[in-house]
This record gives sequence, structure tokens and C-alpha cells, in this order.
Amino acid sequence: DAKTTQPNSMESNEEEPVHLPCNHSTISGTDYIHWYRQLPSQGPEYVIHGLTSNVNNRMASLAIAEDRKSSTLILHRATLRDAAVYYCILRDVRFRGSSNTGKLIFGQGTTLQVKP
Amino acid sequence: ETGVTQTPRHLVMGMTNKKSLKCEQHLGHNAMYWYKQSAKKPLELMFVYSLEERVENNSVPSRFSPECPNSSHLFLHLHTLQPEDSALYLCASSQDGTGSYGYTFGSGTRLTVV
Repeated sequence: DAKTTQPNSMESNEEEPVHLPCNHSTISGTDYIHWYRQLPSQGPEYVIHGLTSNVNNRMASLAIAEDRKSSTLILHRATLRDAAVYYCILRDVRFRGSSNTGKLIFGQGTTLQVKP
Repeated sequence: ETGVTQTPRHLVMGMTNKKSLKCEQHLGHNAMYWYKQSAKKPLELMFVYSLEERVENNSVPSRFSPECPNSSHLFLHLHTLQPEDSALYLCASSQDGTGSYGYTFGSGTRLTVV
């Protein structure tokens, strides 16, 4: 799976929008862009994923650049409960048992702090 | 509750003990995974099961032994562990192994080896 680059940390104020960037310049045509977050002392939680078009769900929005080499996770109104590590991960639409293709491989992610 | 249940939540074991971690999902998923998360480190993928068949073993020491008796249950059998094996062990499941679907994680088992 192609690699992603995220800032180590970001800060936000409560009730303001947050834009979390992710660069993936070597993305292939079969890679989905996945976002997960991990709150302290919990397992990761699926946030959103997309392939080419922007996606919205109840948790967040995913904006994907036209060339797909970058994406942005948008939290529309940050709350204190959104403080977490956010991971941007590329996953191939295919699954190959003998390699990392298709599997969820985590990097360091972005630690988001939300200030009251 | 995410739909993936892990037990126990906390486990303390001696280096000569044998214990098992359990993971259960009733989401109808066909792929299940074990991850390890050590302090200040990214999650490490340990084992992958797809349709109850182990398809991945990421160079995990033999003192960790996975078992997947059916698509709803996954175990991690532990024996003669080392203190450096202390970590959060996370189970996850997905519809299948492809990138089309997200993973659902359990809350993890916090393991301490003494």
C-alpha cells in the first residue's frame, strides 16, 4: 500500500471547523483513502473513506483532491470528544493474503488537541 | 459497544503462564485481524484471517498462536511471554479483506506480562 504523510499534531478550538490534511502523492488508481481515529485508551474507530469523490457522513467530510494526491478530513464543529489521533491510510481495493495489499497499515497519525 | 467484543479487558500474566484472548463479532464479517499496540508506537498488524483461513503472519513470534474456529470468533493464545510483550491487543473485523470496507475494532485487551 502507498504511504501517507500527515502532520504530527494540530490544535483546534472547540466548536470551530478542523481540516486535517493528508498527502499521498504515490496513490494508485485502486487505493481507497481511509480515515480512522483513536481516542485515548480505546481501539481505533472508522471515520470515513472514499475513492475519488468527496464523501460526507454523520461524523465528518472527506475532501479528495482532483489528482487524488492529497485529501482533507473535515470535522465541521470540533468538540472536546474529538481529541484523538487521526490516521489517514491508503488501502487497495484488492486483497492479497501474502502481502500488505488491502490491509489496514497504521502510521503515526495526527494528534488533534481541542481547546475549550 | 462497537459490535466487536474482546475479553478480558485487562490481563496480568507471569512469563510462564498460558492464557488466551478472545474476540467475538456478530456483524456478519468474513475477515478478522489481531493488532498489537505498544506504548507510543503505531499499531502493528499481527495476524489476518479471511474466511477462517489464516492468510497473514507478520513475523510474529511463535509464543503468540492465533485460532479462528469460525467467522465470528478469534482467539490469541499466549504462552511464555516476555515483559516486552506487554501492550494493548486489538481485534478487528471487516466485511472482507478488500479496501472497499472499513474495519470495526474492539476496545482491546490491556496485557501486562510480569
